[in-house]
Amino acid sequence: GIQVEQSPPDLILQEGANSTLRCNFSDSVNNLQWFHQNPWGQLINLFYIPSGTKQNGRLSATTVATERYSLLYISSSQTTDSGVYFCAVEQSSSASKIIFGSGTRLSIRP
Amino acid sequence: AAGVIQSPRHLIKEKRETATLKCYPIPRHDTVYWYQQGPGQDPQFLISFYEKMQSDKGSIPDRFSAQQFSDYHSELNMSSLELGDSALYFCASSYRVIAGTEAFFGQGTRLTVV
Repeated sequence: GIQVEQSPPDLILQEGANSTLRCNFSDSVNNLQWFHQNPWGQLINLFYIPSGTKQNGRLSATTVATERYSLLYISSSQTTDSGVYFCAVEQSSSASKIIFGSGTRLSIRP
Repeated sequence: AAGVIQSPRHLIKEKRETATLKCYPIPRHDTVYWYQQGPGQDPQFLISFYEKMQSDKGSIPDRFSAQQFSDYHSELNMSSLELGDSALYFCASSYRVIAGTEAFFGQGTRLTVV
């Protein structure tokens, strides 16, 4: 099956810093999403981005499908950005299975 | 906007008991997914349904079964519960007009087996 790798696994930053999270995937995908899992366990949709670039406030994401990677940018980090960020993909050959990466645990210090 | 509803939010069961988790997808969504997330782990795919038929299957134990009903809600049945089944269980739904659509997740059911 498809492999989804995220880096870095852990990231500790001061409030106000910028960060880039990476997601590599091993096969072609129909769908790629970024989620933020908050400390209460809730999975919050950030971006649905199978290709191209999107921006939403301080967050933006870029997926280069031909090179099989996606990047999530967080600017001017706030303590509320803390949590785990997951990349999840739906493989082209298996259209009813969404596979998660292992996540990046982000801690923003005040 | 309507979201994916899961019930119950919390559940405590004893070993060898049975648990039933329910999921109500977003209206008009035709695909339901179930995931299991252990402590400190990423969500693991269990099973999915499209238009009430099983669509794909992941690492779902034989003790677990699931179905999607005529009103599109889905239930995950877990029997002979083990301590290792303690986890956060998510349901997600999407509208599959063509392959590859945005999935939305419920708030999860936290199952504790004692």
